[in-house]
Amino acid sequence: DIQMTQSPSSVSASVGDRVTITCRANQGINRYLAWYQQKPGKAPKLLIYDASSLQSGVPSRFSGSGSGTDFTLTINSLQPEDFATYYCQQANNFPWTFGQGTRVEIK
Amino acid sequence: QVQLVQSGAEVKKPGASVKVSCKPSGYAFTGYHIHWVRQAPGQGLEWMGWSNPNSGSAKSAQRFQGRVTMTTDTSIRTAFMELSGLRYDDTAIYFCARGPLLVGAFDFWGQGTLITVSS
Repeated sequence: DIQMTQSPSSVSASVGDRVTITCRANQGINRYLAWYQQKPGKAPKLLIYDASSLQSGVPSRFSGSGSGTDFTLTINSLQPEDFATYYCQQANNFPWTFGQGTRVEIK
Repeated sequence: QVQLVQSGAEVKKPGASVKVSCKPSGYAFTGYHIHWVRQAPGQGLEWMGWSNPNSGSAKSAQRFQGRVTMTTDTSIRTAFMELSGLRYDDTAIYFCARGPLLVGAFDFWGQGTLITVSS
């Protein structure tokens, strides 16, 4: 199975900050990488697919980049509603796998 | 609008089976896979497998093979995930999610179904 490693595991940030989350695969996954946001008690929400494509309805302050094994999710100008846990997920190799999550907390 | 509505929470004893339903609406049921993802309390997301309403085929992660059955019924536009031989560590929220027939991300999710395994 492909292992997805996110860093950091948690980050404290203030409203207006830029936050960067990294996701690394232990083997190449082309660009089949998605990012999700999950709030407590809710289902995950798709933010980014195919490494850098913004899902419809997602604010443009979210962006994704990378290919192969290294990927990044950037949140520009963090908003109060962005405090949540973020997961990356690969869909290149069966079985699909998720990163362990990154919690974005209020500083 | 696209929605996936799941069945309600259940409490099961160890060794029992549970069957969770997922009823999508707002799109062509046979045009997408239905994936199943679970989340143990306080833990991350774990992909379990998918079912294809168009072909009736399904594929599960190896760790669940032999215990999980994923099916679809096109007559009632509903997907099902049945997990047998329940253990305490199967306690989790089980989500269904829509995914493309080819590889890709899960763009719509059900609200989740809490399955508690308790004696």
